[in-house]
Amino acid sequence: NAGVTQTPKFRVLKTGQSMTLLCAQDMNHEYMYWYRQDPGMGLRLIHYSVGEGTTAKGEVPDGYNVSRLKKQNFLLGLESAAPSQTSVYFCASSRIASKTYEQYFGPGTRLTVT
Amino acid sequence: GENVEQHPSTLSVQEGDSAVIKCTYSDSASNYFPWYKQELGKGPQLIIDIRSNVGEKKDQRIAVTLNKTAKHFSLHITETQPEDSAVYFCAPPGGSQGNLIFGKGTKLSVKP
Repeated sequence: NAGVTQTPKFRVLKTGQSMTLLCAQDMNHEYMYWYRQDPGMGLRLIHYSVGEGTTAKGEVPDGYNVSRLKKQNFLLGLESAAPSQTSVYFCASSRIASKTYEQYFGPGTRLTVT
Repeated sequence: GENVEQHPSTLSVQEGDSAVIKCTYSDSASNYFPWYKQELGKGPQLIIDIRSNVGEKKDQRIAVTLNKTAKHFSLHITETQPEDSAVYFCAPPGGSQGNLIFGKGTKLSVKP
């Protein structure tokens, strides 16, 4: 049982390049989330999904797209990276089909956009 | 928008002392009050949570107290140990979608 895994762990992009971050969970969780963490800002919700085939916008969705084609995977895409998207990205999942239960976080992806 | 504030932003204590972190929120409909711990280089991990029908919850050396009237809840750590050094976040739900809203974090340093 690996829990929540994220790929890649580190990435450096040039402005305008695109990339996809992969989140996978093997706990059969319904809800999945993507957050970004910037110094002094805590974690901010980008997008989330309450089940396979569904996605919704969070607090800071601009510049990102997501897909949840399989229940165990949640992909975060950057179509045209900008320096403002330099951040640490965390994926999380929740066993209970509710937003007010424990979220299990992955180890994070550190992204730098130059 | 919803407002979640944590105080203090940094806290340094001697090993064995107690530490208290306070979280103030603005959404009166919030009914779930969790605390997450983030160690260096890792993702956050839930350490304790409380629901609005309970005023206090304790789990060994950590406890959370809730004051719904004043809209704040606090994390209490007793007999601190060096391994308690981390960043702690409160994350009450809020807004129209009811997602968790994370505070900006409190960096706790426990000096041996």
